[in-house]
Amino acid sequence: EIVLTQSPGTLSLSPGERATLSCRASQSVSSSYLAWYLQKPGQAPRLLIYGASSRATGIPDRFSGSGSGTDFTLTISRLEPEDFVVYYCQLYGSSPRLTFGGGTKVEIK
Amino acid sequence: EVQVMESGGGLVQPGGSLRLSCASSGFTFSGYPMNWVRQAPGKGLEWVSYISSSSGTTDYADSVKGRFTISRDNAKNSLYLQMDSLRDDDTAVYYCARRRDYALDVWGQGTTVTVSS
Repeated sequence: EIVLTQSPGTLSLSPGERATLSCRASQSVSSSYLAWYLQKPGQAPRLLIYGASSRATGIPDRFSGSGSGTDFTLTISRLEPEDFVVYYCQLYGSSPRLTFGGGTKVEIK
Repeated sequence: EVQVMESGGGLVQPGGSLRLSCASSGFTFSGYPMNWVRQAPGKGLEWVSYISSSSGTTDYADSVKGRFTISRDNAKNSLYLQMDSLRDDDTAVYYCARRRDYALDVWGQGTTVTVSS
């Protein structure tokens, strides 16, 4: 079973700064199978990125995804106040199972 | 508007049963695989179960296999999760989510299941 490790666990930044979140897979995976979500407190997760780099409907272009093999990155170019939430990566692995990373919390510094 | 909405959560004793429902609207339900995902209090997301669009394929996380049963009724645009032999560690918010390609693109607001004596 492939394990997803997200780092850092918590990222402390200021509004307007750039955020770089990492998601590492325990073995090489297809980038088509990697997605990112954000979750606001008390709300359901929301799809941000699918296929490692494609933005979901309605997602602002300050969010971008990249990576291949075992290393994937979610970048937020300029943090807005509403971006200080928790982010999860997800892998479509052993079909049809899904695996989630442990999450990265982006907090206001 | 494309949406899904869960119901059926509540308080149940260990060893008890509960059936969750997920009603969909705004899209062709029969055309999409569906999933259940849960989140224990203060914890991350855990995939629970999957069902293909035609119900021909189902799968479960090891933690619930043999105790939970996923099903769907395409005529009623609804997804279900029958949960038996519930344990304390099944306490969580349960989300139903539509699968599109290799991601979950539509999520409900969740329903809370609390297993406690």
